[in-house]
Amino acid sequence: SAVISQKPSRDICQRGTSLTIQCQVDSQVTMMFWYRQQPGQSLTLIATANQGSEATYESGFVIDKFPISRPNLTFSTLTVSNMSPEDSSIYLCSVGGGREKLFFGSGTQLSVL
Amino acid sequence: SQQGEEDPQALSIQEGENATMNCSYKTSINNLQWYRQNSGRGLVHLILIRSNEREKHSGRLRVTLDTSKKSSSLLITASRAADTASYFCATDLGGGSNYKLTFGKGTLLTVNP
Repeated sequence: SAVISQKPSRDICQRGTSLTIQCQVDSQVTMMFWYRQQPGQSLTLIATANQGSEATYESGFVIDKFPISRPNLTFSTLTVSNMSPEDSSIYLCSVGGGREKLFFGSGTQLSVL
Repeated sequence: SQQGEEDPQALSIQEGENATMNCSYKTSINNLQWYRQNSGRGLVHLILIRSNEREKHSGRLRVTLDTSKKSSSLLITASRAADTASYFCATDLGGGSNYKLTFGKGTLLTVNP
């Protein structure tokens, strides 16, 4: 299993500002994933972050809005840029475990005013 | 559109009763997984069932899969107040993209003491 530390756990931000979310894993992993969960909704994959290469973004998500860093095999950051109230969501990082399952961080609950 | 859709959206039962949640999906899958989320926090993997399996057990959990009907069910027996959470099914379409899971909207289970 993997232990994932994600911070901040929650934040309240002003419109137009940016927030960087950090994700630290207790073991080296090849791929890290960033998900968004809008209020009352399911999880949507934002992007896959591989160490040493550009992140791969899913349809509807762009690098300018959600830049991702992956400087090493245990750490990644997701920035939510130029925020609007529509960005209010829970953001989750995850890593793959053996046998295809995912391990998740505890999430960042973001509210944009 | 969502690959997985859970039913019901919300379920309220008494402690000791069984809880059954259903998941339907649209396309062929490699495997189907169930996750639990407590109070908008990170998700915890519960169980994985492969496309060539029909039933799996893990403790008080029983999962069935009917690929002809493109549906799965999660049964929690002898429920406890601590089982109160949202439960999500997630499908892996395979095709070499391990970990790229598509999540349903979830079932909110409330177990009353």
